[in-house]
Amino acid sequence: DTEVTQTPKHLVMGMTNKKSLKCEQHLGHNAMYWYKQKAKKPPELMFVYSYEKLSINESVPSRFSPECPNSSLLNLHLHALQPEDSALYLCASSPTSDPSYEQYFGPGTRLTVT
Amino acid sequence: GDSVTQMEGPVTLSEEAFLTINCTYTATGYPSLFWYVQYPGEGLQLLLKATKADDKGSNKGFEATYRKETTSFHLEKGSVQVSDSAVYFCALSEQGAQKLVFGQGTRLTINP
Repeated sequence: DTEVTQTPKHLVMGMTNKKSLKCEQHLGHNAMYWYKQKAKKPPELMFVYSYEKLSINESVPSRFSPECPNSSLLNLHLHALQPEDSALYLCASSPTSDPSYEQYFGPGTRLTVT
Repeated sequence: GDSVTQMEGPVTLSEEAFLTINCTYTATGYPSLFWYVQYPGEGLQLLLKATKADDKGSNKGFEATYRKETTSFHLEKGSVQVSDSAVYFCALSEQGAQKLVFGQGTRLTINP
């Protein structure tokens, strides 16, 4: 069972499109994360939400806009992306934002920008 | 800043071989150390972790010991299986920080 779910699994979008990635967890966790992973590279942290508030933005371009509507949901709104933004986008959650706790990852959304 | 260095891959072994994947780290303070595994087409899963010096993490036959004196956290398994084929990431977190620092990953392929 995947305890962190992400939709869609695959997404192809043009550079003028607006789309959203969705993540949901039913683990009762209070921290949620967005990562970007390029092929054959480790995940790169983008955003951290702690108790529904944005606590870390790793200097991510404004064409990526995160949203945390409630403690179980995390969205990533995409607008005017570039081809180099094509990657696997991973969502994760943990009991708190203290990273000594395990992070539970979703399966990811594979994004292609054309 | 903090960093993690893993042995370069890819690593190819035969089934039942002994596995070691080296991981060393640089950090201020006292980090927690992790091994995550990523199977093809999936997200990352925690394989094992250790939170203080001399702790040994273990899971699914894999082991790693937190060695402060050598700043290392090498992953070992005595007898690998085809199903262990995946990418393995060593990572650290420092007390008070809110993020993981990952190594570059080691791709492991086990042949029958």
